[in-house]
Amino acid sequence: AQKITQTQPGMFVQEKEAVTLDCTYDTSDPSYGLFWYKQPSSGEMIFLIYQGSYDQQNATEGRYSLNFQKARKSANLVISASQLGDSAMYFCAMREGLAAGNKLTFGGGTRVLVKP
Amino acid sequence: EPEVTQTPSHQVTQMGQEVILRCVPISNHLYFYWYRQILGQKVEFLVSFYNNEISEKSEIFDDQFSVERPDGSNFTLKIRSTKLEDSAMYFCASSLKAGTSGKETQYFGPGTRLLVL
Repeated sequence: AQKITQTQPGMFVQEKEAVTLDCTYDTSDPSYGLFWYKQPSSGEMIFLIYQGSYDQQNATEGRYSLNFQKARKSANLVISASQLGDSAMYFCAMREGLAAGNKLTFGGGTRVLVKP
Repeated sequence: EPEVTQTPSHQVTQMGQEVILRCVPISNHLYFYWYRQILGQKVEFLVSFYNNEISEKSEIFDDQFSVERPDGSNFTLKIRSTKLEDSAMYFCASSLKAGTSGKETQYFGPGTRLLVL
């Protein structure tokens, strides 16, 4: 089974509108961390936001927020007020449990294109 | 803001040759990682390194791969005899801690694009 699933291979969004990128995960470990990274066309991986499994509140970082629904095992990224510079690949990743070490497992990514 | 750096940004090599990819992690970080991304595919974990030894490695990280922290700042990935399928973007990452504190966030370098001919 896939550990991290991103079901949207690509999305268009109008500039200044909000967009939600889906991410579901699969783990039986109660302790885990969820991460979102942005990969622009230049290739680097830019950390956006983190959510710990024990965090009571949804994480927010500027225009990025994470809609964390633990029972559904989903951690969707919301980008508000999209900008042209938000056009990129977005990856959801999970660090799964302390016993599993600290490696990140990535989803397949969602490509976002912001239209002017 | 501190960042992870990697050199070279691009490397072209012949099959069977050795390559060394270099990384300078964020200075106060203690945990170091290598990942790779074959073109158009997801990012895959290769190896993690802590306290001068490998703490975890994936199936991909076979005997052709090795990592080293030769001094207090550099972290290297060596591929002894490159294969065509080693062509990928290789990312170095570092984190302050491991675990669940929220400080285990891994910060990635800009990557080295390796092309094996």
